[in-house]
Amino acid sequence: GAVVSQHPSWVICKSGTSVKIECRSLDFQATTMFWYRQFPKQSLMLMATSNEGSKATYEQGVEKDKFLINHASLTLSTLTVTSAHPEDSSFYICSARGLAEETQYFGPGTRLLVL
Amino acid sequence: QKEVEQDPGPLSVPEGAIVSLNCTYSNSAFQYFMWYRQYSRKGPELLMYTYSSGNKEDGRFTAQVDKSSKYISLFIRDSQPSDSATYLCAMILNTGGFKTIFGAGTRLFVKA
Repeated sequence: GAVVSQHPSWVICKSGTSVKIECRSLDFQATTMFWYRQFPKQSLMLMATSNEGSKATYEQGVEKDKFLINHASLTLSTLTVTSAHPEDSSFYICSARGLAEETQYFGPGTRLLVL
Repeated sequence: QKEVEQDPGPLSVPEGAIVSLNCTYSNSAFQYFMWYRQYSRKGPELLMYTYSSGNKEDGRFTAQVDKSSKYISLFIRDSQPSDSATYLCAMILNTGGFKTIFGAGTRLFVKA
């Protein structure tokens, strides 16, 4: 199956700092990438969908100025959590889908802890 | 009513048991059906993918889709402790753009 990587796998930062998470499709071109957030023992919560070269579409309740998404190439999308606060601590997972794909493949996730 | 309903469990079974995981859905426009496995603190891993009614088998896993009843299942034969994970069903709408709807996930524990 297709491989999606995420970096970093975990990050600890101070409150008020910004954190960037990278998501890469390693063996296919991802025309669409998705960013999810997951709290312990809960299901995936879709934050936003981005198509290469276009602005991301954010789900209701997700602050686009807080969670900046860039999908500048067919293999890379980034999520920047700006001015992170402890309530932003969570597990962030990206997912990617290629042009010829119906299904989507997930990255391993990034655990963010904001102190 | 949620578009996709999945019992969150937890489901606990002894090693070697046959596990049945299920999801129901309300939208007959769903076209593609997937099962993902997610280990703790990891991203979901695609297990099975199908688009037609009937059964699809892959090793110890069988995915079953019944479009007339709007019901999908994942069967795990000879379950192993390593199968302990959360299993998410997912379905895709293709309405001018693909939209994936996930179930809540069922937590499975296989006891040695």
